[in-house]
Amino acid sequence: DGGITQSPKYLFRKEGQNVTLSCEQNLNHDAMYWYRQDPGQGLRLIYYSQIVNDFQKGDIAEGYSVSREKKESFPLTVTSAQKNPTAFYLCASSISEQYLVGNTIYFGEGSWLTVV
Amino acid sequence: EDQVTQSPEALRLQEGESSSLNCSYTVSGLRGLFWYRQDPGKGPEFLFTLYSAGEEKEKERLKATLTKKESFLHITAPKPEDSATYLCAVRGLPLFQKLVFGTGTRLLVSP
Repeated sequence: DGGITQSPKYLFRKEGQNVTLSCEQNLNHDAMYWYRQDPGQGLRLIYYSQIVNDFQKGDIAEGYSVSREKKESFPLTVTSAQKNPTAFYLCASSISEQYLVGNTIYFGEGSWLTVV
Repeated sequence: EDQVTQSPEALRLQEGESSSLNCSYTVSGLRGLFWYRQDPGKGPEFLFTLYSAGEEKEKERLKATLTKKESFLHITAPKPEDSATYLCAVRGLPLFQKLVFGTGTRLLVSP
């Protein structure tokens, strides 16, 4: 089946520890995104990538890092510098940002990160 | 700055009781207004994209409409399985512009 796979579904992080969330897509999409979702707030963009080996910061990139070495993969690392990492993290992808219309963003099933 | 406001925050309906959800927006050069459905603990599921005022799209009991300032998601004769959070998002110009999301409307349909 085509889609976006996020893993793990649940992750616990100790204080001072870095953790990495995996995101893989087999939709042949060029663009990939990471969003953070907190209760009572809209989805907020962390990082996005329009093409392999290139990525840009979103609205809340501090304390996060990403890489885009393969078209299918866009892992997110939550570093110890992120002071409030407990949230629901969503990976997404779309065909390309070069189109002026269309370009629907599709989401994975999400990953819960909790600090313990 | 692009903004999206959804109302109401929560809505409780009886099965079969039709209603509408509102998404008010301000955006420079609309490149699309998107509706998603999100079940608890799951990622958002794409429902519709609307591009221009007057456009309408339907899917089963859902119908989305668009004006220059707002979009409505009409739910006709809802069923309990329609219970979810409905998210609205907009994208404007320039060429790459992130989606701006509203905080959603939580819909509960009781049997």
